Amino acid sequence: AQSVTQPDIHITVSEGASLELRCNYSYGATPYLFWYVQSPGQGLQLLLKYFSGDTLVQGIKGFEAEFKRSQSSFNLRKPSVHWSDAAEYFCAVGPEYGNKLVFGAGTILRVKS
Amino acid sequence: DAGVTQSPTHLIKTRGQHVTLRCSPISGHKSVSWYQQVLGQGPQFIFQYYEKEERGRGNFPDRFSARQFPNYSSELNVNALLLGDSALYLCASSPPRGGGNEQFFGPGTRLTVL
Repeated sequence: AQSVTQPDIHITVSEGASLELRCNYSYGATPYLFWYVQSPGQGLQLLLKYFSGDTLVQGIKGFEAEFKRSQSSFNLRKPSVHWSDAAEYFCAVGPEYGNKLVFGAGTILRVKS
Repeated sequence: DAGVTQSPTHLIKTRGQHVTLRCSPISGHKSVSWYQQVLGQGPQFIFQYYEKEERGRGNFPDRFSARQFPNYSSELNVNALLLGDSALYLCASSPPRGGGNEQFFGPGTRLTVL
């Protein structure tokens, strides 16, 4: 079965501190992996994606993620968090073609000053 | 370029009623998908349409239906509304094959069923 697990429901970090959001997936074929961010009452914005090649991918807003096939993980990182990063973050997995993304339950990020 | 647009923004219905949600994809995108996001959960896939044909369906009852028009816009219809249908309904469009499986999401329609 296809699934995405985001083990942390809430994470609180201090502004300027580093961040890592965890994502583990189960997928029967070559996974195409995504991180999206959602601000309250808003739609989803794509932060970054991994299809193939370099397992460390760079995204927008200073985010990066590392694909580790052996661990079935695709963790999101940011070296220095800004207050504006407070939002909910979703990891998703899908096929090469076709739009049926499977999303995790999300991680709510709180940033304290 | 305009992003994915959805209408209406908010909607309040009562149980048993019917609702129609609308989506316009990014210009040049021929694929539209619909997702339901219940409060506190991640989005769940409902339908995908490509070139006006259904290409995928999630685990939703037959009360949910959709269609895509020649201009690639789409409608999601839900009949016999239940309280549990209250959610944010997201529409996403994708570029043609070869552009990667990247989906661009609209702002959503917030449906409240009373």
